[in-house]
Amino acid sequence: AQKVTQAQTEISVVEKEDVTLDCVYETRDTTYYLFWYKQPPSGELVFLIRRNSFDEQNEISGRYSWNFQKSTSSFNFTITASQVVDSAVYFCALSEAGNAGNMLTFGGGTRLMVKP
Amino acid sequence: KAGVTQTPRYLIKTRGQQVTLSCSPISGHRSVSWYQQTPGQGLQFLFEYFSETQRNKGNFPGRFSGRQFSNSRSEMNVSTLELGDSALYLCASSFRRAGYDEQFFGPGTRLTVL
Repeated sequence: AQKVTQAQTEISVVEKEDVTLDCVYETRDTTYYLFWYKQPPSGELVFLIRRNSFDEQNEISGRYSWNFQKSTSSFNFTITASQVVDSAVYFCALSEAGNAGNMLTFGGGTRLMVKP
Repeated sequence: KAGVTQTPRYLIKTRGQQVTLSCSPISGHRSVSWYQQTPGQGLQFLFEYFSETQRNKGNFPGRFSGRQFSNSRSEMNVSTLELGDSALYLCASSFRRAGYDEQFFGPGTRLTVL
């Protein structure tokens, strides 16, 4: 069965610090998809990125970057020069192609607090 | 384009009652999934509907049910409410029924069971 682990339940940083959120996953499928979502206090999950299991290229989008390593089953998320607006709960999620549909397995989430 | 809408946003019920939550997906999206979020269990998948058919189901008791209408709007129902059903219920829609599709989430319905 699939599983996603986010070992860091809470991280606190000061504005402008870099921060990395860890995500480790387990799956028996060879084709799968990994996602990161952000949940601000309003509660709505906001999609950040998707990565498929065949694409191990790292990705950078502004201050956000993602490091996908199949060898360690990890899909880590780094925020560079953090800002107060980055404060939220971040979820890593996995979707297996074998499910033939949209079923996300989420990690427990990491609450990021960025202090001014 | 309007996002995913969920009604009501807040709901208070008592044990033993039943409740119906509604979700309107983004226009053109045919897949609707439901998730339960609690502090103890985190985000858990309830079920997914596509073209009015339930395609996937999570590990929840039969008290949790849902349906989807021809216009892709979906409802979920919880019967005989228990205190542990207090949660944020999130609905998500996507265009296709494929695991690689990003899902767009609504603001959720916060259910409190007293």
